[in-house]
Amino acid sequence: DSGVTQTPKHLITATGQRVTLRCSPRSGDLSVYWYQQSLDQGLQFLIQYYNGEERAKGNILERFSAQQFPDLHSELNLSSLELGDSALYFCASSEGGHPGNTIYFGEGSWLTVV
Amino acid sequence: AQSVTQPDIHITVSEGASLELRCNYSYGATPYLFWYVQSPGQGLQLLLKYFSGDTLVQGIKGFEAEFKRSQSSFNLRKPSVHWSDAAEYFCAVAAVSGGYNKLIFGAGTRLAVHP
Repeated sequence: DSGVTQTPKHLITATGQRVTLRCSPRSGDLSVYWYQQSLDQGLQFLIQYYNGEERAKGNILERFSAQQFPDLHSELNLSSLELGDSALYFCASSEGGHPGNTIYFGEGSWLTVV
Repeated sequence: AQSVTQPDIHITVSEGASLELRCNYSYGATPYLFWYVQSPGQGLQLLLKYFSGDTLVQGIKGFEAEFKRSQSSFNLRKPSVHWSDAAEYFCAVAAVSGGYNKLIFGAGTRLAVHP
């Protein structure tokens, strides 16, 4: 158990809909990351927050957004869903933003868009 | 740009045999390198990491990896594989820019273990 908690674990929704994925980082971790894992794209970095502020953006679509709240939990919002958005979405956390900080991953949220 | 290449998509070994998973990276500075393992239906678990110092690093579950700067490699090894090692293994490099870091992952190597 990494200490990173993600909900829901599985989600099935229709095209055009909007979903919210939730993440609670490890206790004490200030950085939260979101990654997408799909068969064709592999593991892709989406976005990083540090202590409530957005720090870096990766290959995140404009239809997707995220935020980190004062209690440090984070949410990833996916809207106008398409079939191609079906993937495993990982949240991860680390103590800080230094590359020496180990990044711990949650078990992921499986999203299926039908 | 930073990148990670794992040349082997699938590897099959017999239980008890030795294992080496290859990883090559592209990074301008001294890299921060990681190996993660993903078991079916599970998240990513850190096996080991390299920042500096001794180029041979020990990790959990009996794994080790050797950093070779001249070859831009960070291969993962295990002397004797157990059936429970069947999983997907990801090599990653931490890319640092503007005060943040992110992990860039390779495509992964899926390991199958024959009894």
